Amino acid sequence: EAGVVQSPRYKIIEKKQPVAFWCNPISGHNTLYWYRQNLGQGPELLIRYENEEAVDDSQLPKDRFSAERLKGVDSTLKIQPAELGDSAVYLCASSFGLAQADTQYFGPGTRLTVL
Amino acid sequence: AQTVTQSQPEMSVQEAETVTLSCTYDTSENNYYLFWYKQPPSRQMILVIRQEAYKQQNATENRFSVNFQKAAKSFSLKISDSQLGDTAMYFCAFMKRGPLIKETSGSRLTFGEGTQLTVNP
Repeated sequence: EAGVVQSPRYKIIEKKQPVAFWCNPISGHNTLYWYRQNLGQGPELLIRYENEEAVDDSQLPKDRFSAERLKGVDSTLKIQPAELGDSAVYLCASSFGLAQADTQYFGPGTRLTVL
Repeated sequence: AQTVTQSQPEMSVQEAETVTLSCTYDTSENNYYLFWYKQPPSRQMILVIRQEAYKQQNATENRFSVNFQKAAKSFSLKISDSQLGDTAMYFCAFMKRGPLIKETSGSRLTFGEGTQLTVNP
């Protein structure tokens, strides 16, 4: 079974430039999560999708961050414009979305460096 | 709001020995899950073990076991017969469980700051 796929693995951009990350969850997983992990810290949730609906985006900086999951499968997270403080690892995770199977499975992440 | 605290930033252990990683959490919830994830240098967050709060029996997965003390809000991870491949950052995480009446979908994970474990040959 394929795991959560993310691309790119690494991205280096200059500040004020736009950037986008892509995630394809495990097949059959209805719930998709985007987390941000700063250096030396645990991940923090940015947004959670149930199918194509964003149901928890309270931590997403909406002035510069946007996300979409149009067909309820893969998802894109965008930052525009990027700031120096956005340098972090962006992790995507997915789960079945049922209480008895709430375990989240993570992708390898995208390491973003903003210069 | 939930908080998760890992008080050991770094730990080391000799190969084949046993090590225990500590985790405490603070919540007013009664129904929740607790997890230990490991993150090697490749950055892939890998599930190690999971515990449902309503279960009194401690979870075990091969060489990994937990000591879950609900009243004390403590959730430690014991790794037996440590192997070089266990070297990684270990994160303790909390997730609130949805109401039993409706099988709600996943919720956010709240992570601790991690413990870097090094297994020495």
